[in-house]
Amino acid sequence: TQLLEQSPQFLSIQEGENLTVYCNSSSVFSSLQWYRQEPGEGPVLLVTVVTGGEVKKLKRLTFQFGDARKDSSLHITAAQPGDTGLYLCAGGSGGSNYKLTFGKGTLLTVNP
Amino acid sequence: DTAVSQTPKYLVTQMGNDKSIKCEQNLGHDTMYWYKQDSKKFLKIMFSYNNKELIINETVPNRFSPKSPDKAHLNLHINSLELGDSAVYFCASSLMQGANYGYTFGSGTRLTVV
Repeated sequence: TQLLEQSPQFLSIQEGENLTVYCNSSSVFSSLQWYRQEPGEGPVLLVTVVTGGEVKKLKRLTFQFGDARKDSSLHITAAQPGDTGLYLCAGGSGGSNYKLTFGKGTLLTVNP
Repeated sequence: DTAVSQTPKYLVTQMGNDKSIKCEQNLGHDTMYWYKQDSKKFLKIMFSYNNKELIINETVPNRFSPKSPDKAHLNLHINSLELGDSAVYFCASSLMQGANYGYTFGSGTRLTVV
């Protein structure tokens, strides 16, 4: 069973601070996706990374896929209250039975 | 126009009952999924269908039976509901199977078994 560990589990910061969320596994994944989920809603895709070492930027969010494709990080610069939510990483594997395995999430609260 | 829509949004029912959750996507995607999110927010895959064909069936009790009448619909029927079935169930779809395709999720069905 492939497991994805996310850290920290909870994070509460003030508006304007920077933060990094980590997603680690002992398994190799063919892709790594990040989602954000708000209360009462389904997860919404933020980014997909597929190449080891890949870095993608989405406004104030920077995503990195580890060289060995076993880990990833999400860095948010100058966090805003609108960034509040549950951040989920998900690793993809399986060839013809490809599926996403989710981490347990990081609950981020950005206080004004 | 909602991309992935699930009904109902909330479902409260007694133990032993049978219930269904419906899901429809208007994105033209080939692949659809059912995920279960427990009280600790952990999302676990249950089933995956590609063009109406079952391709992933995780270790799920056979009280749960998915049905895909066409590639735009994936319904979930649950027999003899148990307290432990209480959770939020999410339907999702992706253009195809594979590493480059992100999932679009519905807004979930909160099932409470009393």
